[in-house]
Amino acid sequence: NAGVMQNPRHLVRRRGQEARLRCSPMKGHSHVYWYRQLPEEGLKFMVYLQKENIIDESGMPKERFSAEFPKEGPSILRIQQVVRGDSAAYFCASSPRELRSNTGELFFGEGSRLTVL
Amino acid sequence: DAKTTQPPSMDCAEGRAANLPCNHSTISGNEYVYWYRQIHSQGPQYIIHGLKNNETNEMASLIITEDRKSSTLILPHATLRDTAVYYCIVRRPQGGSEKLVFGKGTKLTVNP
Repeated sequence: NAGVMQNPRHLVRRRGQEARLRCSPMKGHSHVYWYRQLPEEGLKFMVYLQKENIIDESGMPKERFSAEFPKEGPSILRIQQVVRGDSAAYFCASSPRELRSNTGELFFGEGSRLTVL
Repeated sequence: DAKTTQPPSMDCAEGRAANLPCNHSTISGNEYVYWYRQIHSQGPQYIIHGLKNNETNEMASLIITEDRKSSTLILPHATLRDTAVYYCIVRRPQGGSEKLVFGKGTKLTVNP
């Protein structure tokens, strides 16, 4: 049973370009969470999605960032017009149910590391 | 969800038990204690969680004080691969936030 798959593992973009990060949750998981980790800092929650719905985007910057989790296919975190401050590791996690109805265990991917030149 | 306090760093000798403390003095009756760890450059990994009773699994043991205001994660025989940042998180499973909030954690270094 494959774990949470994220790609690309490493992405380099120039300022002003777009970055798309993909996350395939574990089989049978319909809940996806995105976290960002800046260099030498902790994990910060960004957004929580269920299939086709954004449930909580309280951690998403108001501009340039968007996320989706379509009925078919992976979840996508999209960053438009990237700036140097977007350089970070972006982690995706999945769970089979709402956290409130399970053990609270999230399964994390290995992350996508974005470098903005 | 209740706030937690952890020492920023700890050292442990290989083969010895690593005891990582966490203070959660404002924890309420229905909040669980969760532990995750993040090995350098990898995604966080769930370790264990508990409510009142001590818990043990193949990775670690969790000891929660009777008043539940603090807990200790125990790695019984630490190895070099246990070097990581360990996060203690408190949250309510019912009606609580749907996200895990990570603090700064404890950076554990296991020395040979």
